[in-house]
Amino acid sequence: GAGVSQSPSNKVTEKGKDVELRCDPISGHTALYWYRQSLGQGLEFLIYFQGNSAPDKSGLPSDRFSAERTGGSVSTLTIQRTQQEDSAVYLCASSATSGVTSYEQYFGPGTRLTVT
Amino acid sequence: RKEVEQDPGPFNVPEGATVAFNCTYSNSASQSFFWYRQDCRKEPKLLMSVYSSGNEDGRFTAQLNRASQYISLLIRDSKLSDSATYLCVLNLANAGGTSYGKLTFGQGTILTVHP
Repeated sequence: GAGVSQSPSNKVTEKGKDVELRCDPISGHTALYWYRQSLGQGLEFLIYFQGNSAPDKSGLPSDRFSAERTGGSVSTLTIQRTQQEDSAVYLCASSATSGVTSYEQYFGPGTRLTVT
Repeated sequence: RKEVEQDPGPFNVPEGATVAFNCTYSNSASQSFFWYRQDCRKEPKLLMSVYSSGNEDGRFTAQLNRASQYISLLIRDSKLSDSATYLCVLNLANAGGTSYGKLTFGQGTILTVHP
């Protein structure tokens, strides 16, 4: 079946502009996660949605970052007033939350964001 | 102390070799454990979950030692296509004792398999 999809695959923006990154999870997965990976670094957790529960925003680095998930499916990560340190690959993952494969997270191809 | 520590390598091994990666974690409340692989400029892909009794998937064997807070991955009969970065990954139990969604990643161990 279809995996996690993300768009755009690449985004170049000027410092100070806002960007929106989109994630479409695997059909039927109720949990959705955003991570980012800076060049040569490990993955850093940003935010987690599960069903109708309040999202866990504990990983968002500043109030310039926000995310929403509408209708329990597609999610959008928004970065306002982008800074050069925001340059990274933004990865989305989804997982089931029941069954033997619960909490195994499957990643999308990522959006490579470059802030100039 | 980092939550997840891995030997960054790189490990350079010939085809057919057996190679083992180790990983230690600091939070004893860690609930679920995984090995992911990540190819250059690609997303992480789930290689295998790690179960308490240890588990095997073809040439790959994973072990978990909760007492020592230690996870391992053994790759037998290495192939050129095994060249990648191997990520040790875990998630924590929440207050209710069930797995919590956030994954914590190690920095990864680089493996290069050469002819």
